[in-house]
Amino acid sequence: QKEVEQDPGPLSVPEGAIVSLNCTYSNSAFQYFMWYRQYSRKGPELLMYTYSSGNKEDGRFTAQVDKSSKYISLFIRDSQPSDSATYLCAIHSGGSNYKLTFGKGTLLTVNP
Amino acid sequence: NAGVTQTPKFRVLKTGQSMTLLCAQDMNHEYMYWYRQDPGMGLRLIHYSVGEGTTAKGEVPDGYNVSRLKKQNFLLGLESAAPSQTSVYFCASSYPVKTSQGNIQYFGAGTRLSVL
Repeated sequence: QKEVEQDPGPLSVPEGAIVSLNCTYSNSAFQYFMWYRQYSRKGPELLMYTYSSGNKEDGRFTAQVDKSSKYISLFIRDSQPSDSATYLCAIHSGGSNYKLTFGKGTLLTVNP
Repeated sequence: NAGVTQTPKFRVLKTGQSMTLLCAQDMNHEYMYWYRQDPGMGLRLIHYSVGEGTTAKGEVPDGYNVSRLKKQNFLLGLESAAPSQTSVYFCASSYPVKTSQGNIQYFGAGTRLSVL
């Protein structure tokens, strides 16, 4: 079983839609959960960061972690064409471990 | 404050040629990383460094070498390029891992390398 699994999409939605992006993971030791956004031909940039379970909201973006199900989600409300990008989940176990485990990314297109 | 800067942005090599990719960060980060990103494969860690003068192998180190002579710079070398090394290469950096922050990594814009 892969450490982190993410549906690659592609996902295409109309402008204004609510978008749900998801990852599942296998290692219960993971504690830190991140979402990166990567525009075409650019580097990944940190979008959201969450520790342990619960929700975190930042403007139109909400990150949700369910550790009991080993499931993380990113919700985008009122999606905009500028949200069109690849979204990567990334997970870290904490402590002195350097390794950040990435999902393969979901390609999202928001159509005007 | 430029963050993480990679040079060059694009490069085309012939099989067997060598080259060095340069990564520079101005955030005083201790940790630095080199990844490659290929379609369907996601980001894969090549080598990483936890401080000046130290380097270690990641998931896919074969065919690459690295050096970290200065804290702000991390170099990735290809001694004899192969077509399988055609990829987009990303450098990243982070603070030392702390229990309260996990390992938030900051990425450069990437280097697109084609090996013919």
